[in-house]
Amino acid sequence: QQPVQSPQAVILREGEDAVINCSSSKALYSVHWYRQKHGEAPVFLMILLKGGEQKGHDKISASFNEKKQQSSLYLTASQLSYSGTYFCGTKLNAGNMLTFGGGTRLMVKP
Amino acid sequence: NAGVTQTPKFRVLKTGQSMTLLCAQDMNHEYMYWYRQDPGMGLRLIHYSVGEGTTAKGEVPDGYNVSRLKKQNFLLGLESAAPSQTSVYFCASMGSARYEQYFGPGTRLTVT
Repeated sequence: QQPVQSPQAVILREGEDAVINCSSSKALYSVHWYRQKHGEAPVFLMILLKGGEQKGHDKISASFNEKKQQSSLYLTASQLSYSGTYFCGTKLNAGNMLTFGGGTRLMVKP
Repeated sequence: NAGVTQTPKFRVLKTGQSMTLLCAQDMNHEYMYWYRQDPGMGLRLIHYSVGEGTTAKGEVPDGYNVSRLKKQNFLLGLESAAPSQTSVYFCASMGSARYEQYFGPGTRLTVT
């Protein structure tokens, strides 16, 4: 089942902060975050594993609330380069399939 | 080191025609995936492979077939294209650590 992302779109000024949320109706094993710039391929940002382990980007942080089956991606002091569509992908177990959300479009203006 | 490459980049097909999309990776990854991306729908998994000679169905496998005869290549076939298969197709690969997928540049397919 596809995770639900919110908001669907957000516009920021450079230097402002944003939070993108990803929710699932099922118990999650891991949450994966990707960013896709217009016309390009998605690029991995971060993984959050059940139990609290994180791996990924050093300028973007995220949290994983296992009780609520929710993850949030925190973009602080946004830069123009942060613009793009952010996708969360979720796994229900240690298997090999990721299910992606519909995406959140982020636009950072000067 | 090219990473993940996809051939072709663009293609226009007529309804009923067939074609094969090729994905190649040079990272010696075990896992490979085919996704389609439609506006507002995110990425949906079509088929995937956990190793040479193995394939499995994803969320939206109908109308597609795949083969992984060599570890570095993963082929996606459309036997009889339909307008509903108009989409951008992405291939991805993943190593044994199993946390980061590397995506190819995509193939834009239009079926008229």
